[in-house]
Amino acid sequence: GAVVSQHPSWVICKSGTSVKIECRSLDFQATTMFWYRQFPKQSLMLMATSNEGSKATYEQGVEKDKFLINHASLTLSTLTVTSAHPEDSSFYICSAERLDVADTQYFGPGTRLTVL
Amino acid sequence: DAKTTQPPSMDCAEGRAANLPCNHSTISGNEYVYWYRQIHSQGPQYIIHGLKNNETNEMASLIITEDRKSSTLILPHATLRDTAVYYCIVKVSNFGNEKLTFGTGTRLTIIP
Repeated sequence: GAVVSQHPSWVICKSGTSVKIECRSLDFQATTMFWYRQFPKQSLMLMATSNEGSKATYEQGVEKDKFLINHASLTLSTLTVTSAHPEDSSFYICSAERLDVADTQYFGPGTRLTVL
Repeated sequence: DAKTTQPPSMDCAEGRAANLPCNHSTISGNEYVYWYRQIHSQGPQYIIHGLKNNETNEMASLIITEDRKSSTLILPHATLRDTAVYYCIVKVSNFGNEKLTFGTGTRLTIIP
């Protein structure tokens, strides 16, 4: 199979603090990983595309200085929400892409962020 | 914008086959059809993908029309655990780095 993990699965933090979310591909290497955000009763919205060893590409309207992405290895990408505010509370989901399976993306279980 | 159209919701009786339609009339020749599902409060789960031919795996079957303008995902024997939002997405497969665009999907409810 193709397994992607995320850590933590949920986090509660105070306004103004930073939160780091890890995304790991456990049984395959992924040059490209993606970060999505999902608000209640809405569909997934892509935030950014993360490529190993290079800068992430952010979607329009996503602040790159607020959502820091690092993809330092072929199995790990991290998303850091800096100076989090209540409006950043959301479900954050990562995916990792397998080039050998028609570029299929496999998703992590998601991280529920609540900012108080 | 999503390039696919799906019915917003469907019901299916437990044990029956669930047939989920998807229209993708503007699909390009190098775009694949991918199906994912999302169970409440979880990350999306990959189900199946195809280009032209019908495909089958342990989870489902994918039937793509000859003109590739529509497809149907078939869950052969639906169970209560198949209740989820199902997403049909078209995307190129070209050395990676192509994003998935999620639409609103079909909310499938399996009825006991």
